[in-house]
Amino acid sequence: AQSVTQLDSQVPVFEEAPVELRCNYSSSVSVYLFWYVQYPNQGLQLLLKYLSGSTLVKGINGFEAEFNKSQTSFHLRKPSVHISDTAEYFCAVSDKGYQKVTFGTGTKLQVIP
Amino acid sequence: GAGVSQTPSNKVTEKGKYVELRCDPISGHTALYWYRQSLGQGPEFLIYFQGTGAADDSGLPNDRFFAVRPEGSVSTLKIQRTERGDSAVYLCASTAGTGYGYTFGSGTRLTVV
Repeated sequence: AQSVTQLDSQVPVFEEAPVELRCNYSSSVSVYLFWYVQYPNQGLQLLLKYLSGSTLVKGINGFEAEFNKSQTSFHLRKPSVHISDTAEYFCAVSDKGYQKVTFGTGTKLQVIP
Repeated sequence: GAGVSQTPSNKVTEKGKYVELRCDPISGHTALYWYRQSLGQGPEFLIYFQGTGAADDSGLPNDRFFAVRPEGSVSTLKIQRTERGDSAVYLCASTAGTGYGYTFGSGTRLTVV
């Protein structure tokens, strides 16, 4: 069975500063990896996904993530955050060929003006 | 439809009552998922449908929870003899297939008083 660990429950960062949200996963097989974002009072929205190929994945709103198989990590990064990035971010994993997705507990990104 | 629709958006019920939560997925999406999100937690898998059949119901917490998808489109999550611990946001998602990522509805906030 797969699992996801998001090490930081909250990350405060000043506007225009870079940010990294950490995610580690465990699985006995090859995986697909996802990041979802949940803005206040809204539903979950897919930010980006890694299926195969290039380990650097670009998503919406200037976010990117890098798959590191040896470290079983899929950290999310943005070089310069905006106030509008304030939201909760969820890392998720599924075994390849299987549709069920397991989510982490989330990281709340608070962008400070 | 254009997105995943969940009704009602909010439901308050008394302990011991029966509730039904409805999900209308994106047209053509054969896979449909129910998750539950408690305060401060990530989405927790409940059940997944492929077409009309439940492909994986391993996340249903007990036999008070049941879900159906009789025509392979709309799904209903049914909770009998509700308990205060059932209070959460119930999320529905659909997908076009493995690796596509989920499209989530806005959720139903269930409060058991």
